Amino acid sequence: RKEVEQDPGPFNVPEGATVAFNCTYSNSASQSFFWYRQDCRKEPKLLMSVYSSGNEDGRFTAQLNRASQYISLLIRDSKLSDSATYLCVVKTGANNLFFGTGTRLTVIP
Amino acid sequence: DTGVSQDPRHKITKRGQNVTFRCDPISEHNRLYWYRQTLGQGPEFLTYFQNEAQLEKSRLLSDRFSAERPKGSFSTLEIQRTEQGDSAMYLCASSLGGSWNNEQFFGPGTRLTVL
Repeated sequence: RKEVEQDPGPFNVPEGATVAFNCTYSNSASQSFFWYRQDCRKEPKLLMSVYSSGNEDGRFTAQLNRASQYISLLIRDSKLSDSATYLCVVKTGANNLFFGTGTRLTVIP
Repeated sequence: DTGVSQDPRHKITKRGQNVTFRCDPISEHNRLYWYRQTLGQGPEFLTYFQNEAQLEKSRLLSDRFSAERPKGSFSTLEIQRTEQGDSAMYLCASSLGGSWNNEQFFGPGTRLTVL
């Protein structure tokens, strides 16, 4: 079983729409959780950390459910510039990160 | 530019050849990571250094792969006797240790194509 599972999409949404991505992780001992963004042919970049109480950064809201081992990312009022692949990332124990396959988002004008 | 840099950005080689990639981390970062990413997949962890010590290696890192960070600054990843399955993007990342939530900053990657 993979450490992190994500729906690969693609998600095609109109500008202004709200879109939600989900992922699940297999190791209950996982300690830290993140969403990374990766543009086509670019390196991944940290979008936001995910805290147990949930956290918001502008139009982006991340939530964590430790009991269900489930992480979500909500994007409100989608912009064209939000088009990218969103990677769910989990850190377990040591320092290496486990990445999901990524969910591809295309925001359509 | 004070970010993570990698060289070369692209490498095309024939099966059986050896290749070496270089990563220069952000200067004050003591932790350095190598990942491999294939098309349609997320990055997969290969190995991790704290200063010059290689502290962890993935099972993905076969005997043909070796990584070094001799002075605790730049790192090299060598692949011997390359195979077509080695074709991938090789990403380097660095972070500043000491924080539970230390962000890893990625370099632009080296895209390897094995013919």
